[in-house]
Amino acid sequence: AQTIHQWPVAEIKAVGSPLSLGCTIKGKSSPNLYWYWQATGGTLQQLFYSITVGQVESVVQLNLSASRPKDDQFILSTEKLLLSHSGFYLCAWSLVWGNNYAEQFFGPGTRLTVL
Amino acid sequence: GDSVTQTEGLVTLTEGLPVMLNCTYQSTYSPFLFWYVQHLNEAPKLLLKSFTDNKRPEHQGFHATLHKSSSSFHLQKSSAQLSDSALYYCALRAGYQNFYFGKGTSLTVIP
Repeated sequence: AQTIHQWPVAEIKAVGSPLSLGCTIKGKSSPNLYWYWQATGGTLQQLFYSITVGQVESVVQLNLSASRPKDDQFILSTEKLLLSHSGFYLCAWSLVWGNNYAEQFFGPGTRLTVL
Repeated sequence: GDSVTQTEGLVTLTEGLPVMLNCTYQSTYSPFLFWYVQHLNEAPKLLLKSFTDNKRPEHQGFHATLHKSSSSFHLQKSSAQLSDSALYYCALRAGYQNFYFGKGTSLTVIP
């Protein structure tokens, strides 16, 4: 069975400090991967997606960057955090395609507080 | 372009009354529609998905029917329960890797 892990579970960081969030998918080969952000009380905002290793497309940057160093790993990072980066970060995966397997599955998320 | 529009904001219902959350879409591809439910401090979870063979998906008493003629995938339940209180998202998969989420509907069920 496929599993999706995100790390850390929660993080408290200072404004201006760097950040790295991670996501690992196990049990699926070459999935599409996605990063979402959700402000407290806000809606889901897709940030990035990747369909293959080394290839990442930006949807909304928010002064963040993403990388896919391995088939099963997706990293979200920034060198300088802003207060506006606070929120809930969600990693998601989907199969490449298939009539009955089109949905997206979300990881448990990382709660980020920037002070 | 591809997009999803759903009942926005807050919906408050009395327990036992029917639930209907609207979702309409625009898609340049053959669409796949989904409803996700998100409880407080949790990740969104898949509630329902549309089928290609016109089956009506059902889960936990919720159902939705994809109507391509009206570009809709409304979420319905005959009788709301307190435990249905959550944030609901309608989502569209349009093509190879593109997903679009609506802005979400916060459903609160009161006794």
